[in-house]
Amino acid sequence: QVQLVQSGAEVKKPGASVKVSCKASGYTFTGYYMHWVRQAPGQGLEWMGRINPNSGGTNYAQKFQGRVTMTRDTSISTAYMELSRLRSDDTAVYYCARDLRYSSSWLVEWGQGTLVTVSS
Amino acid sequence: DIQLTQSPSFLSASVGDRVTITCRASQGISSYLAWYQQKPGKAPKLLIYAASTLQSGVPSRFSGSGSGTEFTLTISSLQPEDFATYYCQQLNSYPPGVTFGPGTKVDIK
Repeated sequence: QVQLVQSGAEVKKPGASVKVSCKASGYTFTGYYMHWVRQAPGQGLEWMGRINPNSGGTNYAQKFQGRVTMTRDTSISTAYMELSRLRSDDTAVYYCARDLRYSSSWLVEWGQGTLVTVSS
Repeated sequence: DIQLTQSPSFLSASVGDRVTITCRASQGISSYLAWYQQKPGKAPKLLIYAASTLQSGVPSRFSGSGSGTEFTLTISSLQPEDFATYYCQQLNSYPPGVTFGPGTKVDIK
């Protein structure tokens, strides 16, 4: 079955960077776009961007342009999301989510979430 | 940018009730809309995509309708496991991306 397993919780200081991983299994990793979505405590869902695991091409939400980098390592079926210049309002659960079809942007499979806490 | 609004923000209902949640887009988005269910501490779950297509494995009491700027998610007979927060989501064609609505929390009356 399809599984997305994310890396563990992180605590970072303001100004630092965080890199979250998402290891995929149960399907052809290069066959579906991977998205990153975050959710601040008690808040709604916020799309950050997506990566084409086949080509490495990315699309980022304007809000995160210049601060987020999405990459992948096809040899180990893993996607990464790195967020730099962290602020306290970046404290959130970060999810990876796989496309229903190649690039439909319907998000059918989700990781378990990674809590990133930004605190001095 | 296209904005999504949901109404109501909060809904109190009883088991067996018919529940309808509305999502409105600031511009026409054809049928490029999905609905997700999220329970506390869990990842969202895709219920409906392309406005009205039921995702595999989702109970038939969930249905979606609408096109253009107004969409609805209907739960025909609310079950105990349906108490959750529901989000709509639309696709941006250019630049490519995704926008979520603010959510509707369905609570037990």
